Amino acid sequence: AQSVTQPDIHITVSEGASLELRCNYSYGATPYLFWYVQSPGQGLQLLLKYFSGDTLVQGIKGFEAEFKRSQSSFNLRKPSVHWSDAAEYFCAVGGGDYKLSFGAGTTVTVRA
Amino acid sequence: DVKVTQSSRYLVKRTGEKVFLECVQDMDHENMFWYRQDPGLGLRLIYFSYDVKMKEKGDIPEGYSVSREKKERFSLILESASTNQTSMYLCASSLWGQGSTEAFFGQGTRLTVV
Repeated sequence: AQSVTQPDIHITVSEGASLELRCNYSYGATPYLFWYVQSPGQGLQLLLKYFSGDTLVQGIKGFEAEFKRSQSSFNLRKPSVHWSDAAEYFCAVGGGDYKLSFGAGTTVTVRA
Repeated sequence: DVKVTQSSRYLVKRTGEKVFLECVQDMDHENMFWYRQDPGLGLRLIYFSYDVKMKEKGDIPEGYSVSREKKERFSLILESASTNQTSMYLCASSLWGQGSTEAFFGQGTRLTVV
């Protein structure tokens, strides 16, 4: 069975500082990996996705993520956060059977 | 611009009522999904559909049913609402081979059962 673990429930970061959100997955084959962001009261928006190829993936809003097969990880990073990055972030894993499995989410608070 | 539209942003229903949550997508996607979102639990899949009139149970189907009579519309039905079904409900759609493509989400329906 596929599953996702996001170890950090809540992260607080200063504006302008770097951000890293952790994601570990469990999947029997080559996974398809996604990061979504949810602003308060909104639906989920895709930040980036990994299917194959280059293990460093660039996304929208200045985010990037690195796929590390040996560690079963897909961590999300941003070099310098903005106040508008305050949101909840979800990592998800999928395969060929229609199903996306989501982690529990990490809430990011940005302080001035 | 791609769009998944959920009919209500907020709903308040009484225990025992039959509740319909409607979702429409305009992207001609084969796959449609209903998720439930609860704090600390992330998104959990209730049901999904990969074609008209086809449906598959997700991880937490108990107490729910679905209907897909047209490709663009996917309805979630709570036959007899209970307070433990108070939650945020998210609809999503994607192309064939969903695992390889992104899912597009609606704005969500926050359902309160009293």
